[in-house]
Amino acid sequence: QVQLVQSGAEVKKPGASVKVSCKASGYTFTGNYMHWVRQAPGQGLEYMGWINRNSGATNYAQKFQGRVTMTRDTSISTAYMELSRLGSDDTAVYFCARDFDGSGRYFDYWGQGTLVTVSS
Amino acid sequence: DIQMTQSPSSVSASVGDRVTITCRASQGISSWLAWYQQKPGKAPNLLIYAASSLQSGVPSRFSGSGSGTDFTLTISSLQPEDFATYYCQQANSFPLTFGGGTKVEIK
Repeated sequence: QVQLVQSGAEVKKPGASVKVSCKASGYTFTGNYMHWVRQAPGQGLEYMGWINRNSGATNYAQKFQGRVTMTRDTSISTAYMELSRLGSDDTAVYFCARDFDGSGRYFDYWGQGTLVTVSS
Repeated sequence: DIQMTQSPSSVSASVGDRVTITCRASQGISSWLAWYQQKPGKAPNLLIYAASSLQSGVPSRFSGSGSGTDFTLTISSLQPEDFATYYCQQANSFPLTFGGGTKVEIK
């Protein structure tokens, strides 16, 4: 069955960077897109962008341009999201989510989430 | 970016009730809309895509309708496992954006 397993919780100081991993299993990793979505405590969902798992092409929401880097390692079926220059408002659960049908529009399987806490 | 506005922000209902949640887009998005259910501490779960298509494995009491700017998620007969927060998401243009969520609570 399809599974996305994310790395564990992180605590970072303001100004630092964090890198979250998302290991996929149960399907062909190199198909279509992997998306990243975050959720601040008690808040709604915020879309960050996608990586094409085949070509490595990326597309980031403008809010995160210049601070986010999405990469993948096809040999181990793992996608990564690195966010730099962290501030307290980056405290959130970060989710990876598989693209539903290759269109880049919907998400059918999600990771369990990785809590990133930014605190001095 | 396209803004998605959900209403109400919360609703109290009883088991067996019919519940309707609305979502309005700041500009036309054709039928490029999804609905997700999220329970506390869990990842969201895709319920509906393309405004009215039921995702595999989702109970038929869930249905979606609408096109353009106005959309609706209906739960025909609320079950205990349906108490959760529901989000709409536009899929018309990048960046994809979500509504603020509607919490369905036990009355």
